[in-house]
Amino acid sequence: GAVVSQHPSWVICKSGTSVKIECRSLDFQATTMFWYRQFPKQSLMLMATSNEGSKATYEQGVEKDKFLINHASLTLSTLTVTSAHPEDSSFYICSARYRGNEQFFGPGTRLTVL
Amino acid sequence: AQSVTQPDIHITVSEGASLELRCNYSYGATPYLFWYVQSPGQGLQLLLKYFSGDTLVQGIKGFEAEFKRSQSSFNLRKPSVHWSDAAEYFCAVGAGGNTPLVFGKGTRLSVIA
Repeated sequence: GAVVSQHPSWVICKSGTSVKIECRSLDFQATTMFWYRQFPKQSLMLMATSNEGSKATYEQGVEKDKFLINHASLTLSTLTVTSAHPEDSSFYICSARYRGNEQFFGPGTRLTVL
Repeated sequence: AQSVTQPDIHITVSEGASLELRCNYSYGATPYLFWYVQSPGQGLQLLLKYFSGDTLVQGIKGFEAEFKRSQSSFNLRKPSVHWSDAAEYFCAVGAGGNTPLVFGKGTRLSVIA
């Protein structure tokens, strides 16, 4: 149990286009999901907290108009990188809160912007 | 504010040798502590966690960690390292509920023959 999936696992896009990344909790309902960003050889940095049915809470320095988060159901949160640029290239990882104090992580999505 | 320090950026051990990865945390209340492992290009896999109770916790793949409140530490150990253990290891602290985890910068483990 407690499986989190992400789609796609890898995406390449042209500068200026938008990319949507999906995060799904496959066998449990998640009222809260988290989006992290990881640059090469660095740790995970929290971008935002996604709450089902309400607006996401963004961390300081994260542009909410650039990184759109939608948590429309108890099993799906999406992160859309709008007008992507090469500096947005990174590894994006989501996690879902499970049984109160645990979080399970998705396998990550590698975004490369050309 | 919560914070996690992993003092060792990179550690190299010989296969079969013992391993200890250090983790120190800063948190006002009793923390929820986690160790994750990440292989290159992969997501995070939970090795073990501490919420309460016995301060020595056992995890998967033969790993264990000990919570020491007096030292604000949660060090990860393994008695005999295998080549497949080479990866990046992250210590994380959380407050539970709807709060996100705060991660350390990670320790890269290399295993030599």
